[in-house]
Amino acid sequence: DAKTTQPTSMDCAEGRAANLPCNHSTISGNEYVYWYRQIHSQGPQYIIHGLKNNETNEMASLIITEDRKSSTLILPHATLRDTAVYYCIATMEYGNKLVFGAGTILRVKS
Amino acid sequence: NAGVTQTPKFQVLKTGQSMTLQCAQDMNHEYMSWYRQDPGMGLRLIHYSVGAGITDQGEVPNGYNVSRSTTEDFPLRLLSAAPSQTSVYFCASSSPGQGNTEAFFGQGTRLTVV
Repeated sequence: DAKTTQPTSMDCAEGRAANLPCNHSTISGNEYVYWYRQIHSQGPQYIIHGLKNNETNEMASLIITEDRKSSTLILPHATLRDTAVYYCIATMEYGNKLVFGAGTILRVKS
Repeated sequence: NAGVTQTPKFQVLKTGQSMTLQCAQDMNHEYMSWYRQDPGMGLRLIHYSVGAGITDQGEVPNGYNVSRSTTEDFPLRLLSAAPSQTSVYFCASSSPGQGNTEAFFGQGTRLTVV
């Protein structure tokens, strides 16, 4: 799996968009970018994943640069319940053998 | 649909005791994994399985055994607990064969070894 680098922490105002960056400069062509989050020591929760194209679902959007060396997770209207640790993972493994880094602590403030 | 169920939720062991952490999933997923999470750190893979009868080691397998006799269950055994095994343990399942590449996690077992 390619190594990913994320900021240690970020703050976001409630109702604003939260943009969480991830660097994966050594990603290989068949590795996907996955995002998970962990709310208050619960089990991690899948958010979104993508290979090359930008992706959107009901939770978030994923923007991957054309060279695939970095990506950004966007929570369009952050709420207090989005306060969590967000993990960016680059992997060929389909939901198995995930390698978690330290992630980004996102604090949504009112 | 219960998803991934872990039992117990909390456990205190004395050094040298043995125990089994249970993990069950009702989604017919082929893949199952065990992770541990120490305070302030990300999850680390202990063991994983790609199907019944098939298991393999992850990043931190020492001190833990697993077996996969059924698709639904993937128990994690601590043969002789040590204080270094104090952690939160998460079980996960996934199924590429069903077109779902996301992993589903249980709510964790919080283990303290004294």
